[in-house]
Amino acid sequence: AQSVTQPDIHITVSEGASLELRCNYSYGATPYLFWYVQSPGQGLQLLLKYFSGDTLVQGIKGFEAEFKRSQSSFNLRKPSVHWSDAAEYFCAVGAASSNTGKLIFGQGTTLQVKP
Amino acid sequence: DAGITQSPRHKVTETGTPVTLRCHQTENHRYMYWYRQDPGHGLRLIHYSYGVKDTDKGEVSDGYSVSRSKTEDFLLTLESATSSQTSVYFCAISEDRAGGYTFGSGTRLTVV
Repeated sequence: AQSVTQPDIHITVSEGASLELRCNYSYGATPYLFWYVQSPGQGLQLLLKYFSGDTLVQGIKGFEAEFKRSQSSFNLRKPSVHWSDAAEYFCAVGAASSNTGKLIFGQGTTLQVKP
Repeated sequence: DAGITQSPRHKVTETGTPVTLRCHQTENHRYMYWYRQDPGHGLRLIHYSYGVKDTDKGEVSDGYSVSRSKTEDFLLTLESATSSQTSVYFCAISEDRAGGYTFGSGTRLTVV
């Protein structure tokens, strides 16, 4: 069965510092991978997605993620964090072979940004 | 996004009563999903739809039913609400099976 693990429940970084949020997935076939961000009291917004091709994908708000098949990982990175990046981040996986499009989400990582 | 709306935004209901949440889209997307969000669990899929009158269960479907009689509306019904169904419910839509989701703003449901 598909599963997604985000090992870090909370992360605190200083404004201007670099950020890496970890995501590991378990799936036997080719995955589709996504990162979403949720600001307090809001819905989820798509940051970026990986389907195939270049394993380094660029997203909105200066985020990028790298797909590493050998490590079953899809970590999210940002070179310099801004206070407005404080939010909850969700990694999600879908099956490339699926005809339903359903996604499995990780538990989420809450990012706090120190001034 | 303006293309997907959930109603109501907030609801308090009593244990044992039926409750229906509505998801409405104006994007004409084929796929629609209902998730619940709980602390420590992320988002868990309740039910989904891959076309009008085509629905299937997700991982936490017990106590919930859905209906989709037209493309734009996907209804989630709690047949007899319990306190364990207190949660934030999100609807999502997708144009195709690989496109990623657009989420609604959520419905906060409290069962007392």
